[in-house]
Amino acid sequence: GAGVSQSPSNKVTEKGKDVELRCDPISGHTALYWYRQRLGQGLEFLIYFQGNSAPDKSGLPSDRFSAERTGESVSTLTIQRTQQEDSAVYLCASSTTGTRNTGELFFGEGSRLTVL
Amino acid sequence: KNQVEQSPQSLIILEGKNCTLQCNYTVSPFSNLRWYKQDTGRGPVSLTIMTFSENTKSNGRYTATLDADTKQSSLHITASQLSDSASYICVVTPSGSARQLTFGSGTQLTVLP
Repeated sequence: GAGVSQSPSNKVTEKGKDVELRCDPISGHTALYWYRQRLGQGLEFLIYFQGNSAPDKSGLPSDRFSAERTGESVSTLTIQRTQQEDSAVYLCASSTTGTRNTGELFFGEGSRLTVL
Repeated sequence: KNQVEQSPQSLIILEGKNCTLQCNYTVSPFSNLRWYKQDTGRGPVSLTIMTFSENTKSNGRYTATLDADTKQSSLHITASQLSDSASYICVVTPSGSARQLTFGSGTQLTVLP
């Protein structure tokens, strides 16, 4: 696709259920990021993938959160035993290089998660 | 802790007017500073990217400035349009850390007819 694609765009789930969010980065982009954005707040870093390097998971808020990436393509963010405080928009972004360089970061439209 | 503070938190202006948004940061040293526009319900879109050695960068009606000595950046919007209504986010990349961009909370701009 032409841009970063995320699915689902909206997800409503019950507390305690597991959810899986998907991100398709732009083809050829080696760097992929997941962020969380709570209502009216800034973006919180969750996890970063760069090529075949070990991912930087330092932003994951708890062990209920995990993410995987297959090579340099699709990534999935999994939240287990969801809690109400997990309600947020989860944004995925990709870049041709790490952002230490001026590689532009392209964002998806986000997955809005609501935990009832 | 590296911080990026933006002001004002929100701003309302009339169509056609100019405005300036501020970004103060403590991230040091840093690699680059970016401004993003985020429409409601959409992902952020890049407006400008400046390295630490650049003082200004323009993108149409948007002009970003950077003063690395005072650790301040501004985004000036000229001849505002209704479509400029959005959140504007300042993002700083620390040197040596390609991974953890530091995001400001954004300035919510509303342009009224």
